[in-house]
Amino acid sequence: KNQVEQSPQSLIILEGKNCTLQCNYTVSPFSNLRWYKQDTGRGPVSLTIMTFSENTKSNGRYTATLDADTKQSSLHITASQLSDSASYICVVRNQAGTALIFGKGTTLSVSS
Amino acid sequence: DSGVTQTPKHLITATGQRVTLRCSPRSGDLSVYWYQQSLDQGLQFLIQYYNGEERAKGNILERFSAQQFPDLHSELNLSSLELGDSALYFCASSPQQGGEQYFGPGTRLTVT
Repeated sequence: KNQVEQSPQSLIILEGKNCTLQCNYTVSPFSNLRWYKQDTGRGPVSLTIMTFSENTKSNGRYTATLDADTKQSSLHITASQLSDSASYICVVRNQAGTALIFGKGTTLSVSS
Repeated sequence: DSGVTQTPKHLITATGQRVTLRCSPRSGDLSVYWYQQSLDQGLQFLIQYYNGEERAKGNILERFSAQQFPDLHSELNLSSLELGDSALYFCASSPQQGGEQYFGPGTRLTVT
């Protein structure tokens, strides 16, 4: 069964600190893997999208990595800001393009 | 503002009723996706349309149906509503079938 597991479920960090969120998936073969940021009550916003051949993709203070051999991805946030408080969702699309499998997300809280 | 519009913003209805949620994609986008997000739950992919045709199906109940019209707007019909159908329903659009998705603000459905 195609699955996407994210860890930790929730995380609290101090403003200015770095953090790393994990995503493990069993979808194989897959087309692409995305990370989204979702503020409470709002639609998700795309941070990065990577195909199976890409290892890393950056978007400002957000850097995603992908290891297709171990089926793991991570999202690293540098110098966190209060506005980074949100849910971060990992999504994997299968190669046929017929399924989008969502992780349950990691809820990040950045405190001052 | 993603350019995707959804109406209505809020909807309150009773069990057993039927409702229709509407989505207008970004100008030029051919793909429309529907998602359900229940309280404290992750996003659940429901269904995808591309240029009027159904392309991918997720965890969509038989009581739910959707369609995409020639002008590319889409409607999600929910019938025989149950309390458990209370959720945020998001629509997203993308230029192609597997490209970047842009999410709308969502419709909050409350079934009483």
